[in-house]
Amino acid sequence: AQSVTQPDIHITVSEGASLELRCNYSYGATPYLFWYVQSPGQGLQLLLKYFSGDTLVQGIKGFEAEFKRSQSSFNLRKPSVHWSDAAEYFCAVGASSGSARQLTFGSGTQLTVLP
Amino acid sequence: DVKVTQSSRYLVKRTGEKVFLECVQDMDHENMFWYRQDPGLGLRLIYFSYDVKMKEKGDIPEGYSVSREKKERFSLILESASTNQTSMYLCASRSQENYEQYFGPGTRLTVT
Repeated sequence: AQSVTQPDIHITVSEGASLELRCNYSYGATPYLFWYVQSPGQGLQLLLKYFSGDTLVQGIKGFEAEFKRSQSSFNLRKPSVHWSDAAEYFCAVGASSGSARQLTFGSGTQLTVLP
Repeated sequence: DVKVTQSSRYLVKRTGEKVFLECVQDMDHENMFWYRQDPGLGLRLIYFSYDVKMKEKGDIPEGYSVSREKKERFSLILESASTNQTSMYLCASRSQENYEQYFGPGTRLTVT
């Protein structure tokens, strides 16, 4: 079974600073990887996804993530954080087998942005 | 745009009540999911459905059941609500060809 670890429960950065959120996964085959963002009181919105091909993936809102197979990682980055980026971020890995090809989510990283 | 709606944003129920959470999607998706979200635990899958009248248990199905009579609607049922079912419940849907799941806004359920 697949699993996802987000080692940072809470991260605080200043507005304009760079950001990196860590995600490590465990899965026996080539994973399908996702980053979602959840603003307070809202559902989850997809930021970006990796299925195959180029290991550097661009997403919405200026985010990018890099798939590193050797490190089993899919870290999310943004060069300059905006106050509106304050939210909770979830990494997820997709199973390639099973009737509905489920997603397994990490426990989330809460991002606080200081003015 | 894909739209997933949930019947209530906030719900307060008493212990022992039967609770229905409704989810509707408008994109003709085959697959639908119910998760619960708790602080520090992320999203945990309760049940999913890959077709009308078809359902499978997720990781934490105990105390829950589901119903999918129509393709667009997936209901989560708490037969006898308990305080440990106080949580945020998220519904999602996706097409058969695509891994990407689309989420509703969530229902925050409080059981007193």
